[in-house]
Amino acid sequence: GAVVSQHPSRVICKSGTSVKIECRSLDFQATTMFWYRQFPKQSLMLMATSNEGSKATYEQGVEKDKFLINHASLTLSTLTVTSAHPEDSSFYICSAREPGQHGYTFGSGTRLTVV
Amino acid sequence: QQPVQSPQAVILREGEDAVINCSSSKALYSVHWYRQKHGEAPVFLMILLKGGEQKGHDKISASFNEKKQQSSLYLTASQLSYSGTYFCGTEMTSYDKVIFGPGTSLSVIP
Repeated sequence: GAVVSQHPSRVICKSGTSVKIECRSLDFQATTMFWYRQFPKQSLMLMATSNEGSKATYEQGVEKDKFLINHASLTLSTLTVTSAHPEDSSFYICSAREPGQHGYTFGSGTRLTVV
Repeated sequence: QQPVQSPQAVILREGEDAVINCSSSKALYSVHWYRQKHGEAPVFLMILLKGGEQKGHDKISASFNEKKQQSSLYLTASQLSYSGTYFCGTEMTSYDKVIFGPGTSLSVIP
């Protein structure tokens, strides 16, 4: 089946620094990928839709200048959390859909802790 | 708009059945169902496209009532491995973004 690889799985960074998270589709091409954020015991909240070769589409309330998304190839999307603060600490998950399939495949997620 | 799920939580003994419901106030193209175990990413279970068909594999099945914009996930003869949080996700159009419900925590005990 489709595999989506996400790195790193865990990261701890200091307040004010930036963190980059990678999401790769390993055995299929994904023109669109999705980035979600999940706080403990809460649902997956869609942050943005990453589009290969064009600008990402952000959900209402998500700061595009803070959460930079780049989808430079058909298999790689990156999310950069800029000037991270403790309130950005969360579980970030990417997902993609294999062409011809309806269900999403999720990456393993990145647990970000900002200290 | 986020779909509504019920119940919020359920505890079952092995072998018992459960039903999880998902509803939307908007017209839907599809409903997805995912299971997430603690600390892990969600895993796709199945998708119901508008048309009201019922799907399933093994002892987990689901239905979609297009007129009511409601979907139900049926877990029969529950196993310990069924424990986790179940999320429904809804799409308004084909290959659209998926918006997830708040989740239903399901615990299966021996």
